[in-house]
Amino acid sequence: DAKTTQPNSMESNEEEPVHLPCNHSTISGTDYIHWYRQLPSQGPEYVIHGLTSNVNNRMASLAIAEDRKSSTLILHRATLRDAAVYYCILRSTGANNLFFGTGTRLTVIP
Amino acid sequence: DAGVTQSPTHLIKTRGQQVTLRCSPKSGHDTVSWYQQALGQGPQFIFQYYEEEERQRGNFPDRFSGHQFPNYSSELNVNALLLGDSALYLCASSLFDRDFHGYTFGSGTRLTVV
Repeated sequence: DAKTTQPNSMESNEEEPVHLPCNHSTISGTDYIHWYRQLPSQGPEYVIHGLTSNVNNRMASLAIAEDRKSSTLILHRATLRDAAVYYCILRSTGANNLFFGTGTRLTVIP
Repeated sequence: DAGVTQSPTHLIKTRGQQVTLRCSPKSGHDTVSWYQQALGQGPQFIFQYYEEEERQRGNFPDRFSGHQFPNYSSELNVNALLLGDSALYLCASSLFDRDFHGYTFGSGTRLTVV
């Protein structure tokens, strides 16, 4: 599986947008980009995923660069409950599992 | 609709002992994957079960074994426990098809080996 690179940590003020970057320069044309987050004392939870086009759901937006070598998870208005470790993961088409890196620890400042 | 249920939530074992962890998948899911998460690290893939067979395996020794039952629930067994096996063990369920929509995770079992 292709590797992703994320900053170890980021901070954001409450009620402001957050942009979490992910680099994946070795991504192949059939790799999906998945984002999960893990709140304290919980298992990871699905946030969003995409292939080529930008994606929106009730939790977040995923912006994918035109060359697909990077992507950004956007939280439109950070709340204290968004404080978590965010994982960016590549999954090959047809693969039925996910391999996690160390993620980005997001701290939300009141 | 119950999500993924894991038991027990916490466990303390002695080096050399054996442990069994249990997982009930989300309703409608047929595949169970197990992950080990050491403190400060991301989850590491142990193995995946579908149709009561181990389908994929990560880089874990044979001391780690599993089982899936006809009702899709699963067990993770670890023999000859080492101190380094202390971790959060996560179970994730999914549907085994080509249009993979992702996992639903349980809250995990915290195993401490002393």
